[in-house]
Amino acid sequence: EAEVAQSPRYKITEKSQAVAFWCDPISGHATLYWYRQILGQGPELLVQFQDESVVDDSQLPKDRFSAERLKGVDSTLKIQPAELGDSAMYLCASTPNSVSGKPYEQYFGPGTRLTVT
Amino acid sequence: AQSVTQPDIHITVSEGASLELRCNYSYGATPYLFWYVQSPGQGLQLLLKYFSGDTLVQGIKGFEAEFKRSQSSFNLRKPSVHWSDAAEYFCAVGASGGGNKLTFGTGTQLKVEL
Repeated sequence: EAEVAQSPRYKITEKSQAVAFWCDPISGHATLYWYRQILGQGPELLVQFQDESVVDDSQLPKDRFSAERLKGVDSTLKIQPAELGDSAMYLCASTPNSVSGKPYEQYFGPGTRLTVT
Repeated sequence: AQSVTQPDIHITVSEGASLELRCNYSYGATPYLFWYVQSPGQGLQLLLKYFSGDTLVQGIKGFEAEFKRSQSSFNLRKPSVHWSDAAEYFCAVGASGGGNKLTFGTGTQLKVEL
């Protein structure tokens, strides 16, 4: 069964350092999402890609966060500089294109647990 | 804007007992509704979804949920809980206007007593 891949699974970094997360969606899935999940809360969307284009980054803290999906396949989320409040689980999800206009369920990867010290 | 409320932060049930997790949503149009489960340190797995049609939907692992438009609810049920069901459960609402954006609730942590 195809899965969304993420790496690393765990990352510990010091405050003010740069950190990057990688996501490889299910093959053929055009839409990719990055979520942040703070302990005890539900996931919150950071950025949504349709192929290589950003379609929603309204909740992405653009002063320190950036995301790219250059070839419309895998994606990288970067934080620079990291702050203590960035400690969270970062989840990647993907869906196929919706040709009928109906939504698809999102398929989630295992996540990257970030701890900022 | 859409929103989801899961009023129960923690629920404890005995193995073999029935389970109901509550979910209330707020959305102006026809919602698309989902239940996901998350084991510790893992990603989210889809249990079931409602798009339209029959308001009682069946999912994996013996779970079901009922969409009640009049109550703006989408409660998750299971007739007999297994110890392996202990996890965190998230309800989510999707926008019917496209974009596939999901808004999640804050989750319900389920503990199963043996």
